[in-house]
Amino acid sequence: QKEVEQNSGPLSVPEGAIASLNCTYSDRGSQSFFWYRQYSGKSPELIMFIYSNGDKEDGRFTAQLNKASQYVSLLIRDSQPSDSATYLCAVYGNSKLTFGKGITLSVRP
Amino acid sequence: SAVISQKPSRDICQRGTSLTIQCQVDSQVTMMFWYRQQPGQSLTLIATANQGSEATYESGFVIDKFPISRPNLTFSTLTVSNLSPEDSSIYLCSVGKGQPTNYGYTFGSGTRLTVV
Repeated sequence: QKEVEQNSGPLSVPEGAIASLNCTYSDRGSQSFFWYRQYSGKSPELIMFIYSNGDKEDGRFTAQLNKASQYVSLLIRDSQPSDSATYLCAVYGNSKLTFGKGITLSVRP
Repeated sequence: SAVISQKPSRDICQRGTSLTIQCQVDSQVTMMFWYRQQPGQSLTLIATANQGSEATYESGFVIDKFPISRPNLTFSTLTVSNLSPEDSSIYLCSVGKGQPTNYGYTFGSGTRLTVV
């Protein structure tokens, strides 16, 4: 059973802080890694993906991948109340995308 | 990214009936998937919809309960058959153009099903 684990939440941070979201995966053959954001009552939307070890930055978002440790994270800098949502980690391998359970982020004004 | 139209957006169905959900994409896509998201839970892959052949189902999902059609590269349907209250969930269509390494996968707006 290939698993994607996200640390338990919810996570609450003050506005302007850095939010750190973590994810581990069990399948070493996984090829690429995704972070989706899902607002309540909406479908998931892709924020970032990463497939090489290291960091990938896009605006206020940074994805970090460490394949040796089977670990992927998402950093959100200068968190805003509009970032309050559930963040889903997803891992691609064997021609399919497997999702973690998600972590709910709340950004306090 | 592809634009997906998923219908219906919500429905309330009687026990024992069936619901067919449609997924229409504005461009040809290689990969089409159907997911289920139960209340407060993450997404679970039901099956991969293959164009011109039978869908590939994940463990715990069977064709008799979740028949899928994919007649071309822009359209697919998922039917949830013999409905029970346990089928109350959100069903999502997802598409990708080849390897997701470059594109990721896009989701439709979902179908919220309530079985009474």
